[in-house]
Amino acid sequence: KQEVTQIPAALSVPEGENLVLNCSFTDSAIYNLQWFRQDPGKGLTSLLLIQSSQREQTSGRLNASLDKSSGRSTLYIAASQPGDSATYLCAPPKGGATNKLIFGTGTLLAVQP
Amino acid sequence: DAGITQSPRHKVTETGTPVTLRCHQTENHRYMYWYRQDPGHGLRLIHYSYGVKDTDKGEVSDGYSVSRSKTEDFLLTLESATSSQTSVYFCAISGTQQQETQYFGPGTRLLVL
Repeated sequence: KQEVTQIPAALSVPEGENLVLNCSFTDSAIYNLQWFRQDPGKGLTSLLLIQSSQREQTSGRLNASLDKSSGRSTLYIAASQPGDSATYLCAPPKGGATNKLIFGTGTLLAVQP
Repeated sequence: DAGITQSPRHKVTETGTPVTLRCHQTENHRYMYWYRQDPGHGLRLIHYSYGVKDTDKGEVSDGYSVSRSKTEDFLLTLESATSSQTSVYFCAISGTQQQETQYFGPGTRLLVL
């Protein structure tokens, strides 16, 4: 059974800091992993989908890494801005070749101006 | 943003009444999903569809049924609503290949009294 843990649960940083959000999962038989952000009262926005063959995926100031063997993924945010304040969710698939995503409970990020 | 709409956006109903939520997409994507989001549980998959009239159960399917008679519409029905089904419901879509990025709708807030 896939279980997902995100650490820390909440994080507050001053603007301009680089930061790392962590995600661990128990079933490493996955082909990819997705990161999303969710603003309060809104739906989810896809940030990055990283394939197991890639190890890293970048989009602007965001960089995601994936280490299947250790069951870990990290999301690196460079030069944080107040607009980055949101909840960040990690979602590997249930296991194997499936579209059924299992979500962590997220990291609530607050970037102080 | 992916063309996904959900209706209604807010609904209050009473225990024991039937409720149908609608998800409509304009992207012609093959896969459609229904999730619920609750504090402390994160997002959990209820049902998903991999084509017209093709559906499968997710983690928390008890008490819910779905139908997909057209590519663009995916309906979620609570046959007899209970207070435990008070939640925020999200629809998502993804493309023709397995394990592509999932795009989420804005959500429906359902309160069952």
